[in-house]
Amino acid sequence: GENVEQHPSTLSVQEGDSAVIKCTYSDSASNYFPWYKQELGKRPQLIIDIRSNVGEKKDQRIAVTLNKTAKHFSLHITETQPEDSAVYFCAAITNQAGTALIFGKGTTLSVSS
Amino acid sequence: GAVVSQHPSWVICKSGTSVKIECRSLDFQATTMFWYRQFPKQSLMLMATSNEGSKATYEQGVEKDKFLINHASLTLSTLTVTSAHPEDSSFYICSARPGTGFYEQYFGPGTRLTVT
Repeated sequence: GENVEQHPSTLSVQEGDSAVIKCTYSDSASNYFPWYKQELGKRPQLIIDIRSNVGEKKDQRIAVTLNKTAKHFSLHITETQPEDSAVYFCAAITNQAGTALIFGKGTTLSVSS
Repeated sequence: GAVVSQHPSWVICKSGTSVKIECRSLDFQATTMFWYRQFPKQSLMLMATSNEGSKATYEQGVEKDKFLINHASLTLSTLTVTSAHPEDSSFYICSARPGTGFYEQYFGPGTRLTVT
């Protein structure tokens, strides 16, 4: 089955700096890669996603890149703000009926002002 | 659109008792629902996948006799934790997938279970 590795486990940045979180996956059949932000005690919130036919996607301060050959994808947050502080999870899935999102172990991002 | 609810949001029970958690898709029909467990400062671990009207598929290491899953309708799945023990204390999150898509998973707000 799919295995998703995520690094780093913790990341501390100053407000205004950029933050990068990296994930690798094992199943070459995976073709959808979402990123979630989770605040303590709440459900994960989808912040951006990318499909395998695209190499990069951007939404304001957030971008995701995908390298299918190397089986890794990354989340880039620019101009970080204190409200970006949360736990971020990457995930992967194939487009087969019944398959579930498999999550990385998460990155705790702390943005200090 | 695509709202998933869970009930209860938190529950405290005594060791040895059973607890039922409900997951509902409020504005769409969910052919597939998923149950995850999340321990403090850890990731979401998939417990099982359920399809309406059929038996759930459990992940390796998840006791199906302890975590009973019923997906009785296209909008409701339940997770029953039987003979709960303190080590079952966790955050349980369900998610639901509309019948029209492969990728979409909409998450419920989670249920905090504490077993004393």
